[in-house]
Amino acid sequence: GQNIDQPTEMTATEGAIVQINCTYQTSGFNGLFWYQQHAGEAPTFLSYNVLDGLEEKGRFSSFLSRSKGYSYLLLKELQMKDSASYLCAVSPIGGYNKLIFGAGTRLAVHP
Amino acid sequence: GAGVSQSPRYKVAKRGQDVALRCDPISGHVSLFWYQQALGQGPEFLTYFQNEAQLDKSGLPSDRFFAERPEGSVSTLKIQRTQQEDSAVYLCASSTSERTGQGGEKLFFGSGTQLSVL
Repeated sequence: GQNIDQPTEMTATEGAIVQINCTYQTSGFNGLFWYQQHAGEAPTFLSYNVLDGLEEKGRFSSFLSRSKGYSYLLLKELQMKDSASYLCAVSPIGGYNKLIFGAGTRLAVHP
Repeated sequence: GAGVSQSPRYKVAKRGQDVALRCDPISGHVSLFWYQQALGQGPEFLTYFQNEAQLDKSGLPSDRFFAERPEGSVSTLKIQRTQQEDSAVYLCASSTSERTGQGGEKLFFGSGTQLSVL
């Protein structure tokens, strides 16, 4: 099975950089996703890593190390609108694109 | 519409009542998923459709939960004899992929139906 761990809450200052970590124990997966979810809204796709390394997309970057069972999401130049939950999810091998989610990290950005 | 649409947005049910939650996926999307999200938790998989075929229902918590997608587009999640522990947000998601074992295709989520069972 899959066990995905993320910190429950984080706080950061507007304009700063924050790193949200995700560790997992899984027998294998196709890739790892990060989603953003504002309170009361739909989760929206941020990034997808299938190979080890860093994927950069504007202010957001995501890193994966399969050997260490570890991923992180890096948010730069934080804005107030980045206050949201960030969900780490894996796509298990051997099927369709079913996602297994962690509990999410609630990020609060303050002035 | 351009996105995944779910209705109703909010549903209050008395314990023991039956409810039906509707999902309109993005037009042309082959894959459709239902997830349950408890307060402060991540979404948990309930069931998966590829077109009209329900290929995985391993996440449905009990036989009170039933889902269908008869024409391969709109889907309905039905919960019979609701219990307080059924209170959660029910999310629907769709994607274009019909390939197996590939992964990587992002899911597009609806805003969910918030179910409260009193």
